[in-house]
Amino acid sequence: AQSVTQLGSHVSVSEGALVLLRCNYSSSVPPYLFWYVQYPNQGLQLLLKYTTGATLVKGINGFEAEFKKSETSFHLTKPSAHMSDAAEYFCAVSGGSGNTPLVFGKGTRLSVIA
Amino acid sequence: DAGVIQSPRHEVTEMGQEVTLRCKPISGHDYLFWYRQTMMRGLELLIYFNNNVPIDDSGMPEDRFSAKMPNASFSTLKIQPSEPRDSAVYFCASTSSVLGNTEAFFGQGTRLTVV
Repeated sequence: AQSVTQLGSHVSVSEGALVLLRCNYSSSVPPYLFWYVQYPNQGLQLLLKYTTGATLVKGINGFEAEFKKSETSFHLTKPSAHMSDAAEYFCAVSGGSGNTPLVFGKGTRLSVIA
Repeated sequence: DAGVIQSPRHEVTEMGQEVTLRCKPISGHDYLFWYRQTMMRGLELLIYFNNNVPIDDSGMPEDRFSAKMPNASFSTLKIQPSEPRDSAVYFCASTSSVLGNTEAFFGQGTRLTVV
């Protein structure tokens, strides 16, 4: 069984500041890990994913995340926030293949202050 | 490809009425998932199909909910009778094991309001 915990339902940062969204997972098998972004009234768009190999993964819009097995974490970062980054971010885990359903965290709403 | 297409985008219905949500997955994808998003519970998996066959429907909340996939290019999620607590955004997603996809591709969602 898998589960995801996202720390902080709402994060607020200033434009240009570091973005850090936290995600911890639980999985009984080697996990696949994902970050999705949801803009208002839109579907979910994949930001980045970890499956195997390099533990630091880069995604779209300047985001990256690092898989840390010892900490069961997959935190999302971006060096400099932009106003357009304001959205809801979801961390998700699946059981080691693309065919098992994603289990999502509750989401973190990111606000960017000018 | 046009992506996963859901219809309608918005649905407002009265309590007790039947509601049908529709999904067209990405062509060639052999897995289809239905999720529900609410403020209280977040994103929950309702049911998923592989090659049009339901694999796990344990997330379907109760017998009022049913889902079908009559062919590889179409799926429906039906609620009968609908209740106000069914108000949510319903997402359909698809993926391909043949193509080796590791992530699911989501539609724009259907926002259901039951009054």
